[in-house]
Amino acid sequence: EVQLVESGGDLIQPGGSLRLSCAVSGITLSTYVMSWVRQAPGKGLEWVSTISKSASSTYADSVTGRFTISRDSSKNTLYLQMNSLRVDDTAVYFCSKIYFYGSGDYKYYFESWGQGTLVTVSS
Amino acid sequence: DIQMTQSPSSLSASVGDRVTISCRASQGISSYLNWYQQKPGRAPQLLIYAASSLQTGVPRRFGGSGSGTHFTLTISSLQPEDFATYYCQQSYGSPSTFGGGTKLEIK
Repeated sequence: EVQLVESGGDLIQPGGSLRLSCAVSGITLSTYVMSWVRQAPGKGLEWVSTISKSASSTYADSVTGRFTISRDSSKNTLYLQMNSLRVDDTAVYFCSKIYFYGSGDYKYYFESWGQGTLVTVSS
Repeated sequence: DIQMTQSPSSLSASVGDRVTISCRASQGISSYLNWYQQKPGRAPQLLIYAASSLQTGVPRRFGGSGSGTHFTLTISSLQPEDFATYYCQQSYGSPSTFGGGTKLEIK
């Protein structure tokens, strides 16, 4: 069974940096596509970033140039480095394993989710 | 980006009711549409993928339909554990986008 456990959320001032971690068990992280999805308080879900099996990455426009997704295969852990944080980055951040149900880039869903970690950006 | 619009944003219903939630895409997305259920303080859970395929373990009272730009999630007979927020998500365009959510409350 896949388990995803996020950590690293905190209260941080605008302009600050934070690194989120997602410890993965039950699978070999580097053989799966993984994402970060966030949810602002009382709001809906927003995709943030994805890392492919080959370690290529994509980002939402709102975080491009500020956030970096990465993984450490030796620790089976996914990361999200967040720099130049803004008040509107305040959210619960979930890591998620993507499942492809068919061939092609479009046939996927967010299969497994962690419990989330809260990032609060405020002065 | 493809905009996903859910309606209604909130809904009151009773146990045993049949409920339908709508999700509309700003452009055609074929059948690349997934539905999730989220309870307070919990992570979302997949219910339906590819517009109409029931995820393993999800009760058969949940059903999905639609293609192109209009999709629906139907719960045939509401159970107490179904009161939650429901989100649609498209995987056709990049970035993937979610609907704003439909909060299903007890009447």
